Amino acid sequence: GQNIDQPTEMTATEGAIVQINCTYQTSGFNGLFWYQQHAGEAPTFLSYNVLDGLEEKGRFSSFLSRSKGYSYLLLKELQMKDSASYLCAVQTTDSWGKLQFGAGTQVVVTP
Amino acid sequence: DVKVTQSSRYLVKRTGEKVFLECVQDMDHENMFWYRQDPGLGLRLIYFSYDVKMKEKGDIPEGYSVSREKKERFSLILESASTNQTSMYLCASSLVRVSYEQYFGPGTRLTVT
Repeated sequence: GQNIDQPTEMTATEGAIVQINCTYQTSGFNGLFWYQQHAGEAPTFLSYNVLDGLEEKGRFSSFLSRSKGYSYLLLKELQMKDSASYLCAVQTTDSWGKLQFGAGTQVVVTP
Repeated sequence: DVKVTQSSRYLVKRTGEKVFLECVQDMDHENMFWYRQDPGLGLRLIYFSYDVKMKEKGDIPEGYSVSREKKERFSLILESASTNQTSMYLCASSLVRVSYEQYFGPGTRLTVT
């Protein structure tokens, strides 16, 4: 199986930057996803990394290092609406599209 | 606009009852998934299906069964509900391609008393 670790909670101020780290141990790595989940709502897709490096999408960026089993999600210019849980999920080559999720990181944005 | 719908947002059942949770997707996706989400444990896969009438156990299948008679519909069945099955249940679907993200339904919060 896979071990996926991410911090439980992070707090940051509106307008600041927050970096959410995710480490994983797996065999047959085939991609890493980040999802955002607001309280009481469904998770929604943010990003997908399969190659090493940084993927940027507006205020959100995601980084992957396959050799280190490490990814981070960077949220810039934080807004109050970014308060949510952020889920890291790993896909493996034998998974038939299944994902293994971390427990999620609750980000609290304060005024 | 992609859509995954679940039959109920909130459900209260008694211990021992048979419970059906329905999920429908309109995206012609081959894969469908059932998860439960509990505080501190994240999303855990119960069952998934990669085609009609095909299913595979996930990480926590005990106490659950599933049915997929049509491509767009995936049902989760609790044969005899127990209090430890009180949870948020999320359905998802995806194409059969590794890089394709899963689309989630709004979830069903099930309480078993």
